[in-house]
Amino acid sequence: DSGVTQTPKHLITATGQRVTLRCSPRSGDLSVYWYQQSLDQGLQFLIQYYNGEERAKGNILERFSAQQFPDLHSELNLSSLELGDSALYFCASSSRPQGRSGNTIYFGEGSWLTVV
Amino acid sequence: AQTVTQSQPEMSVQEAETVTLSCTYDTSENNYYLFWYKQPPSRQMILVIRQEAYKQQNATENRFSVNFQKAAKSFSLKISDSQLGDTAMYFCAFMKHAVGNTPLVFGKGTRLSVIA
Repeated sequence: DSGVTQTPKHLITATGQRVTLRCSPRSGDLSVYWYQQSLDQGLQFLIQYYNGEERAKGNILERFSAQQFPDLHSELNLSSLELGDSALYFCASSSRPQGRSGNTIYFGEGSWLTVV
Repeated sequence: AQTVTQSQPEMSVQEAETVTLSCTYDTSENNYYLFWYKQPPSRQMILVIRQEAYKQQNATENRFSVNFQKAAKSFSLKISDSQLGDTAMYFCAFMKHAVGNTPLVFGKGTRLSVIA
């Protein structure tokens, strides 16, 4: 168990709909990352938040948005969904730069999104 | 921008044998981290091993070890005494050092099959 919690684990929705994926980072981790992995594809970085503020942005579509709340949990909002948005969405968090596990990114189990 | 290259899309190894997965990267940074992640059929992303660029000593974790060649920008993973449970996709990843950390940059992965 990595300590990163993602909900829901599985989600099926129709095209044009909007969904929210939720992530709770490991205790004490300030950074949260979102990645997308389509079938048989590598991991595409979407966005990073650090202590509530956007830190880095990757290949995130304008239909997608995210935020990190004061309690450090994060949500990824996906709107106007298309068939091509079907993928495994990972949340990850990283530890402070100290100790043996410092500067290490741990992944949640992912949220499987199927758009039909 | 950093890039990570895994030149072996697929590999196979007999159970109990040793296999080495290759990874090269390109960066102008001097302070960074390198990782190997394992993704079994369950699609969970599991950290295998971590290397800090400023450390000359190669990291080891039980049957897993790396050969880190900073000048050559090479970071290979050696799996000794391969087990059926090692069957997975293996991703090499790079992370630039920064306060609050930075996103991981992944290679495209190597699919490893361990054969009984």
